[in-house]
Amino acid sequence: DAGITQSPRHKVTETGTPVTLRCHQTENHRYMYWYRQDPGHGLRLIHYSYGVKDTDKGEVSDGYSVSRSKTEDFLLTLESATSSQTSVYFCAISDAGTVKEAFFGQGTRLTVV
Amino acid sequence: QKEVEQNSGPLSVPEGAIASLNCTYSDRGSQSFFWYRQYSGKSPELIMFIYSNGDKEDGRFTAQLNKASQYVSLLIRDSQPSDSATYLCAVNSDMRFGAGTRLTVKP
Repeated sequence: DAGITQSPRHKVTETGTPVTLRCHQTENHRYMYWYRQDPGHGLRLIHYSYGVKDTDKGEVSDGYSVSRSKTEDFLLTLESATSSQTSVYFCAISDAGTVKEAFFGQGTRLTVV
Repeated sequence: QKEVEQNSGPLSVPEGAIASLNCTYSDRGSQSFFWYRQYSGKSPELIMFIYSNGDKEDGRFTAQLNKASQYVSLLIRDSQPSDSATYLCAVNSDMRFGAGTRLTVKP
C-alpha cells in the first residue's frame, strides 16, 4: 500500500468553527490532491498541489484553503465550517511520471452540526 | 458543463454476465483515461488505464477508448458478486472524476 495517511479519520464539529485535515505521505510524490465525495457527485477536486508552496484551485474550492510547506504534508482548512461541508474527504498522491495514477488515503468523514 | 460524465446507475447484472460501464468527456485533447473501483466505505483504487484508441484487456477487464466519439468504456466479463462496487472514470492528469457508476452483481 502507498504510504499515505489522513488524520483525523472521523470528526464532528460545530458550524462556524475552523477545521484542519491533514494528509501525510511517505512516497515523496510531487502531486497531492484533496477531494470531497458526496452521494450523486462522485469525487470532486477541491485543491491540489504540484510542489512545496505550489497549490491551485479545483472545481469546488470555495470555503477551503490549503497549504503545503513540506513535500510530505498537505493540509486542508475549512476556515468556518458549514453544514454543506459535511462530506467524506479524500487525499490522493501522484508521481510526476508518465502514468498519472493516484493513490488515495483512507478518507476522513467530517460532520458539521 | 461537467467535463466527465458517467451514468450514475445503479447498474445491476446477474453473475456471469458482462457489465458495461461508460464514460464521456468534453475535452477533445484528452490523452489519458483511468478507471478506478471503489468498494463501499473504502478508498478508490486504480484498475485500468488506457491512452490509445481501441481495446486494452487485463484479465476479465477490458477498457475501450474512442477518441473521435469522446468516450471510454469498461467491460467486465464473467461478472462476480465481488465486482459490486462504484466505478469511477478519470480523464487526464488533472485527475478529475466522473460521478461514478454503482454496479451490483447479483448471484
